Amino acid sequence: SQKIEQNSEALNIQEGKTATLTCNYTNYSPAYLQWYRQDPGRGPVFLLLIRENEKEKRKERLKVTFDTTLKQSLFHITASQPADSATYLCALGPSIQGAQKLVFGQGTRLTINP
Amino acid sequence: GAGVSQTPSNKVTEKGKYVELRCDPISGHTALYWYRQSLGQGPEFLIYFQGTGAADDSGLPNDRFFAVRPEGSVSTLKIQRTERGDSAVYLCASSLTPRGRGGDTQYFGPGTRLTVL
Repeated sequence: SQKIEQNSEALNIQEGKTATLTCNYTNYSPAYLQWYRQDPGRGPVFLLLIRENEKEKRKERLKVTFDTTLKQSLFHITASQPADSATYLCALGPSIQGAQKLVFGQGTRLTINP
Repeated sequence: GAGVSQTPSNKVTEKGKYVELRCDPISGHTALYWYRQSLGQGPEFLIYFQGTGAADDSGLPNDRFFAVRPEGSVSTLKIQRTERGDSAVYLCASSLTPRGRGGDTQYFGPGTRLTVL
């Protein structure tokens, strides 16, 4: 069966350092992968999408890589700030054309310490 | 502009009761999704609407769960004979339009926290 794992439920990083979160999946061939941010009591907020034919995507201090051979995505936040503290979710897009549901990992709770 | 809204924000009910959860998507978004999120877990897909029709309801756990979107805008998730295991945050999301395998951004609402006593 399909399985998505985000390594470490919680990650503590010192302010200014780079935070790296990992998303691994098995038994799946996604057309794309997305990363979301979720704050307590709120719904997830979309951050970045990377497609199966892309290796890397950047947006301001965020960088995502996607290795379909390793079945892994890495999510980096450079120059981290306390305001980056949140839960980060990876989500896999459909492998079947026309199917639209996202399959989410369990999330990694990131804390940036001042 | 206004985002996805969900009502109520919190719902406490007793085991065996019937509940309705409402979602107002972003105006003009044709696709609407329902997810369920348990504590410490990521959202779990329930059902997806394209317009008025349910295009994929493979995530509904059993026949106690039903969702409608009669006019292609507002959607209601209905749960009959609620059980304690139904307690979770129910999230709604909408997107402009699905483009095959293109991956439209899904915009989530704040969720409805359902507690079944």
